[in-house]
Amino acid sequence: SQTIHQWPATLVQPVGSPLSLECTVEGTSNPNLYWYRQAAGRGLQLLFYSVGIGQISSEVPQNLSASRPQDRQFILSSKKLLLSDSGFYLCAWRGPAGTQYFGPGTRLTVL
Amino acid sequence: QQQVKQSPQSLIVQKGGISIINCAYENTAFDYFPWYQQFPGKGPALLIAIRPDVSEKKEGRFTISFNKSAKQFSLHIMDSQPGDSATYFCAAGTGNQFYFGTGTSLTVIP
Repeated sequence: SQTIHQWPATLVQPVGSPLSLECTVEGTSNPNLYWYRQAAGRGLQLLFYSVGIGQISSEVPQNLSASRPQDRQFILSSKKLLLSDSGFYLCAWRGPAGTQYFGPGTRLTVL
Repeated sequence: QQQVKQSPQSLIVQKGGISIINCAYENTAFDYFPWYQQFPGKGPALLIAIRPDVSEKKEGRFTISFNKSAKQFSLHIMDSQPGDSATYFCAAGTGNQFYFGTGTSLTVIP
C-alpha cells in the first residue's frame, strides 16, 4: 500500500531563516505530487505540483520554491522565511482515480 | 474569484442527527468532487468522492448529493456521532488543478 511521509512534523523558525520541508511517498512510482498550505481557519491553497523528476509547476508566486530530486521525493524550500509563511504544510500524491491523498503535514511557525 | 464556496463555516448537531454541508463551484470543466475529513493536527483524509455522471453516492452513513445544473454538491452525514466531530472540506477540480472550500467545523454533541 502507498504511504506518504512528511518531516519534520513541527518547526519553529525565525524570520529570515531558510526552510526545507521534505515529503516522500512509498508504494508507488512516478506519482504526481503536490504541496499545499493551510492557514488557520482557511482552506487548502495549492503551492506547487510536480508530474515527474525536475518538473515543477508553481501556482502562487511567493517566497517559496519546490524541487523534485527523486521520483518519490518532493521538497519545499525558502531562502528567507517571512512571518506570512507560517501555516500547516501538506504534501499529497495523486492516486490512479485522480484522488489526492495527503500526508500528516508540517506545522511551521515563523517568529 | 473563489472557485469553490462552502457553507456553513461551523455546524453543531445532536448525536443521531443529520449533518449537511454544502458546496458550490464555478467551473463546469470540473469532473471530480471529493470530500475530506480533517482532525486537528492531521492531514485531510478522503471521505467520499463523486463524478458528475451520477447524482448521488452513498458510503455507509455518508452521502454526496450532486446537482450538475446548479453546480452544487453536498455532504450528508446520517446518524451523526461525536467521533464525526472534525473539519470537513469539499473540493472540485480536474487533472492537477483542485480547489478546496474553506472548511466546515462540525461538532456533534452527545
